[in-house]
Amino acid sequence: EAGVAQSPRYKIIEKRQSVAFWCNPISGHATLYWYQQILGQGPKLLIQFQNNGVVDDSQLPKDRFSAERLKGVDSTLKIQPAKLEDSAVYLCASSENRDTEAFFGQGTRLTVV
Amino acid sequence: GDSVTQMEGPVTLSEEAFLTINCTYTATGYPSLFWYVQYPGEGLQLLLKATKADDKGSNKGFEATYRKETTSFHLEKGSVQVSDSAVYFCALRKRSNYQLIWGAGTKLIIKP
Repeated sequence: EAGVAQSPRYKIIEKRQSVAFWCNPISGHATLYWYQQILGQGPKLLIQFQNNGVVDDSQLPKDRFSAERLKGVDSTLKIQPAKLEDSAVYLCASSENRDTEAFFGQGTRLTVV
Repeated sequence: GDSVTQMEGPVTLSEEAFLTINCTYTATGYPSLFWYVQYPGEGLQLLLKATKADDKGSNKGFEATYRKETTSFHLEKGSVQVSDSAVYFCALRKRSNYQLIWGAGTKLIIKP
């Protein structure tokens, strides 16, 4: 069974530039999560989708971050404009439903310089 | 608010040593508890879980028991191997909205 796919694996951008991350969840998984993991910390939930609807985006900095999940499958997370403090690993995860095990992708490591 | 506290790392042990990584939590209600592992260059993987008090989760020789009285979920293994070197995360899942709350992670280094 294919796992959660994320791209790119690494990205370096200058502050004030924009960047986008892509996630392809496990086939059939209704729930999709984006997490931000800053070095030395646990993951922080940015946004959770149930199919193509947003369930929780309370910790998403909406002035610069946006995410969409068109057709309830793939998802993209965008940052515009990026700040130095956005340097982190961005993790995508999916689960069959909200109360089942979440499977994680390898993450995208973003460095903002 | 709900939170998870793990012992700080890195934890360095010799092969075949006994491992304990402490995890305590603060939560309203009765959350489910998890240990995830992140091997170098890989994504987070579920290691074990427990959904109610006194449950014991186990996998790959690792164990953790849900202790409601001490609000703890300590990870243990009787004899560690070099291949166990990784970062271990303790997490709780709230029953109200299924959100995962994570600890900061503990890096484990096993020396041959």
